[in-house]
Amino acid sequence: EIVLTQSPDTLSVSPGERVTLSCTASHSFWRGYIAWYQHKAGQAPRLLILRTSNRAAGIPDRFSGSGSGTDFTLTIDRLEPEDFAMYYCQFYGVSPWTFGQGTKVEIK
Amino acid sequence: EVLLLESGGGLVQPGGYLRLSCVASGFNFRAYSMTWVRQAPGKGLEWVSAINGDGGKTYYADSVKGRFTISRDNSKDTLYLHLNTLRTDDAAVYFCAREQPPYGPNDYWGQGTLVAVSS
Repeated sequence: EIVLTQSPDTLSVSPGERVTLSCTASHSFWRGYIAWYQHKAGQAPRLLILRTSNRAAGIPDRFSGSGSGTDFTLTIDRLEPEDFAMYYCQFYGVSPWTFGQGTKVEIK
Repeated sequence: EVLLLESGGGLVQPGGYLRLSCVASGFNFRAYSMTWVRQAPGKGLEWVSAINGDGGKTYYADSVKGRFTISRDNSKDTLYLHLNTLRTDDAAVYFCAREQPPYGPNDYWGQGTLVAVSS
């Protein structure tokens, strides 16, 4: 099983700033992929990034993903007010799928 | 428009049973694998179970294996999760989600249904 650890737990930032969220896998994998989701309380999670670096349909280009091996990153350029939320990375494609514990992006 | 609507949540005693349903619309349901994900109060997302398009392959997290059963009725465009021998740590909002072919991830999600486990 791939265990994902996200850091930091919380990021306090101002609108317009750039943020980088980290997701570290317990070990390298040759099968499976990394995705990123945004989740706001009371709403359905929203797929942002699939296959490490591909934006999902309709996702603004201020969201980008990168990484390889065990280290993966979600970057949000020019934070908008609607971007303050929880963010989760996910390992998928091979069972069991797993999620990181999440990073909260909050307004400073 | 893709829509997923969960139902069936509620309050149940430890050791009890619930059946969750997820009605799908706006896409060819039988062509897609489907997933259940849960979020316990104050916690993060947890992958629970998945099923392929014809229902012939199922997958479970270790935390629910042997207690939960995923199934689907493609004639009704409906996904199910049967929750047996419920424990207090099964209390959560349960989301159903569609899997993007061929390997995922989950591209559309429902709003969730709340399961509470308490005596």
